[in-house]
Amino acid sequence: DTGVSQDPRHKITKRGQNVTFRCDPISEHNRLYWYRQTLGQGPEFLTYFQNEAQLEKSRLLSDRFSAERPKGSFSTLEIQRTEQGDSAMYLCASSYRGRTEAFFGQGTRLTVV
Amino acid sequence: AQTVTQSQPEMSVQEAETVTLSCTYDTSESDYYLFWYKQPPSRQMILVIRQEAYKQQNATENRFSVNFQKAAKSFSLKISDSQLGDAAMYFCAYADNNDMRFGAGTRLTVKP
Repeated sequence: DTGVSQDPRHKITKRGQNVTFRCDPISEHNRLYWYRQTLGQGPEFLTYFQNEAQLEKSRLLSDRFSAERPKGSFSTLEIQRTEQGDSAMYLCASSYRGRTEAFFGQGTRLTVV
Repeated sequence: AQTVTQSQPEMSVQEAETVTLSCTYDTSESDYYLFWYKQPPSRQMILVIRQEAYKQQNATENRFSVNFQKAAKSFSLKISDSQLGDAAMYFCAYADNNDMRFGAGTRLTVKP
């Protein structure tokens, strides 16, 4: 296992378009987190899954954002009708249990033009 | 939701000297974990050190150690014998059975 994998690494999109990101966690990890990080800031919690169940979703996450984790394996994060304010690094992390350390992927950098 | 506060946006240390990064958190839980993560420029977030709340002994990993004060909800990171490669953003993180939250980070500069 090579760790948490995110795809794509970079995405440039025009405002109003939809984008989808994928995260493949470490195989035995049952927790999967999505964070958004802007330059010079800490990771901002978006949502997390315990297996296939989405247990919490940040109030900051508008209706344009949706995440899934079918079968409790990989996860996707979709942003509909992108806005310039969505430009950020989107980080995925996974952990074995809720209180153990999370391992991060390299992130997907989204630029909305 | 639990909050994590890092009050030092930037810190600087001379190579080979010691620096302490501060972190405070707020929670009503009794069982949780605390972490320090390092994020070098344009690179992946990696774990530096972890502390279980039920353990009184402060965690240590080589040159990195923490001062965990549970009653005060304080969790500082001490870096001894600082090296140029320690330059990075450092994030304090809190995790319990519900979620995992991060502070805003401290940018550490190491001067040769």
